[in-house]
Amino acid sequence: QVQLVESGGGVVQPGGSLRLSCAASGFTFSNFGMHWVRQAPGKGPEWVAFLRYDGDNKYYGDPVKGRFTISRDNSKNTLYLQMNSLRVEDTAVYYCARAPGRGSSTSYFDPWGQGTLVTVSS
Amino acid sequence: DIQMTQSPSSLSASVGDRVTITCRASQSISTYLHWYKQEVGKAPKLLIETTSNLQFWVPSRFSGSGSGTEFTLTINNLQPEDFATYYCQQSYTTPLTFGQGTKLEIK
Repeated sequence: QVQLVESGGGVVQPGGSLRLSCAASGFTFSNFGMHWVRQAPGKGPEWVAFLRYDGDNKYYGDPVKGRFTISRDNSKNTLYLQMNSLRVEDTAVYYCARAPGRGSSTSYFDPWGQGTLVTVSS
Repeated sequence: DIQMTQSPSSLSASVGDRVTITCRASQSISTYLHWYKQEVGKAPKLLIETTSNLQFWVPSRFSGSGSGTEFTLTINNLQPEDFATYYCQQSYTTPLTFGQGTKLEIK
């Protein structure tokens, strides 16, 4: 079955960096665009970034633009999110989610991984 | 950015009731509106895509409708497993945006 498993979350100080990974299985990873979505405690989800199936065409939400980088390794069926210059307001559960197609950033999210918690605190 | 506003923010209902959740967009999004169900401690799960297309696992007591700026999620004959938080999301344009959620609680 289709499965997405995030890892790499943890506690980091403001200004620090963290790299999240999302391991995909049960489908042909290289055929699908992928998203990162986050959810702060007690809040609704917030879209973070999208990457096309081939690693080209990246899109970011304004709060993370210039600080976060989305990438993928199709040979390892893995999606990444490099997070630099982290802020307290980046504290959230980070989910990876699959897009329904290859290239369009404008899509719904299905399925989602179980999430990994990132806490930015001094 | 397109703002998505859900109402109500919370809703108390009984098993067997019919409930309607509304999602309004700050500009027209055609039918690019999707609904998710989130249970406590779990990831959101796609419930309905593109306004009215139910996912395979969703019972027929759920339905979605609307276009433009106003959309509704209706649940008939509420069951215990339906009590959760529901979110709408637009995919008309980036940034993709969500509503703030509607928490459906047992009365």
